[in-house]
Amino acid sequence: QVQLQESGPGLVKPSQTLSLTCTVSGGSISSGEYYWTWIRQPPGKGLEWIGYIHYSGSTYHNPSLKSGVFMSVDTSKNQFSLKLSSVTAADTAVYYCARDVVISGINYNWFDLWGQGTLVTVSS
Amino acid sequence: AIQLTQSPSSLSASVGDRVTITCRASQGISSALAWYQQKPGKAPKLLIYDASSLESGVPSRFSGTGSGTDFTLTISSLQPEDFAIYHCQQFDIYPLTFGGGTIVEIK
Repeated sequence: QVQLQESGPGLVKPSQTLSLTCTVSGGSISSGEYYWTWIRQPPGKGLEWIGYIHYSGSTYHNPSLKSGVFMSVDTSKNQFSLKLSSVTAADTAVYYCARDVVISGINYNWFDLWGQGTLVTVSS
Repeated sequence: AIQLTQSPSSLSASVGDRVTITCRASQGISSALAWYQQKPGKAPKLLIYDASSLESGVPSRFSGTGSGTDFTLTISSLQPEDFAIYHCQQFDIYPLTFGGGTIVEIK
C-alpha cells in the first residue's frame, strides 16, 4: 500500500531555510491525479495546513504563513518537497506530509494518508 | 480564515460511555468537514469526511452529523483504543483550517 515518509534536518537556525522531503512509496506520485499536502503541528498545539502541490507542479499555500513557502515535486524520485525561508522559533513543529483525497479529478482537500511526521526545531 | 472551535477542549470518560465532541465554524461551510483521531506521537487518522461519511475501515461506533456551522462527532460506546485527541478540519474555503483539538482521557 502507499506510504509517505518525511525526511530532513531536525534542527534549523533562525533566519535560515527549512527543507523537507516526502517520499511516496508503494505507488506513483503522478497516478490518480492526487494532490500532496504539508501540514504542521507546533508542540502541544493544533494542526496548521501549509499547502499542497500537484504532480504537474501547480501549488497553493496558506497565505497566513509568515515564512516564505516554496513547494516542488520530483516525479522521477517519487518525492515532493517543502522549503520555508527565514524561519523563526514559531516554525518549530512536527511536519507531516499527507495525501489529499481526489475524486473524479476534484481535490476534496481532506487527507486520507499521512506520513509519520518529523520534528523540526528552529534554534540557534 | 474560517475558525473552528471545538468543545470541550478535553473530557474524561469511561469505557462504554457515549461521547460527543462539537466543532463550530465561524461561518457556514455546508458539509465540508472532516474528523481525525490522533494518538500520542502518531499522525492523525481520518475518521469522517463530508461531515457524516465514515472512512473505510473505521468502526461504526464513530459517527458525524451537522452542516452549516455546527458539527458533532459521536463515539457511541467508548473503547480503550479510542482515548486520543480528535481534530475537526474544514475544507470548504482556503486556507484549510483545523480546530484546536479535543483530548479524550480515561476517567
